[in-house]
Amino acid sequence: DIQMTQSPSSLSASVGDRVTITCRASQSIRTYLNWYQQKPGKAPELLIFAASNLQSGGPSRFSGSGSETDFTLTISSLQPEDFATYYCQQSYSPPQSFGQGTKLEIK
Amino acid sequence: QVQLVESGGGVVQPGGSLRLSCAASGFTFSTYGMHWVRQTLNKGLQWVSFMRYDGSNTYYADSVKGRFTISRDNSKNTLYLQMNSLRIEDTAVYYCAKDQRWLQMEGLDAFDFWGQGTMVTVSS
Repeated sequence: DIQMTQSPSSLSASVGDRVTITCRASQSIRTYLNWYQQKPGKAPELLIFAASNLQSGGPSRFSGSGSETDFTLTISSLQPEDFATYYCQQSYSPPQSFGQGTKLEIK
Repeated sequence: QVQLVESGGGVVQPGGSLRLSCAASGFTFSTYGMHWVRQTLNKGLQWVSFMRYDGSNTYYADSVKGRFTISRDNSKNTLYLQMNSLRIEDTAVYYCAKDQRWLQMEGLDAFDFWGQGTMVTVSS
């Protein structure tokens, strides 16, 4: 099975900051990497698919990059509604697997 | 708009059974693969099972294989998860989720819509 490792596990930042979250796969997954945002008490929501494609309706301040084993999610200018937990997921090989999450908190 | 509404969660003793349902609306259910994903505090998000859009193929996580059965009724736009021989470690919020792309054969896809989740607690 493919293991997904996110870093950091938690992050404190301020409104307006540029933030980067990293996800590493235990083997190459090409660009079969998706990012989700989850707010407390809610289901995850798809943010980025296929490593760099913004899901319809997603704010343009979110971007994704990477391939093979190393991926990043960047928020160019944090907004108050962005404080949430972010998960990466590989959809290259079954079983699909998720990272452990990165909790983004207000500094 | 797409809606997925889970039901059927509850409290059950170890070894017991539950059947979860996921009622779908707002899209052509019979053309999308569907998944169950669960979430715990300790283990985070874990994919559980997938059923192809036409019900012709299913996949399971090793941890539930032989105990859980996924099914769907395309005439009722509903996905099911029959959970037998439940264990304490099956305690989680269970979500149904939809494949992003239609007619996907293997379920290797992003999940573009999720239900609100239903809580399953396995406890004596």
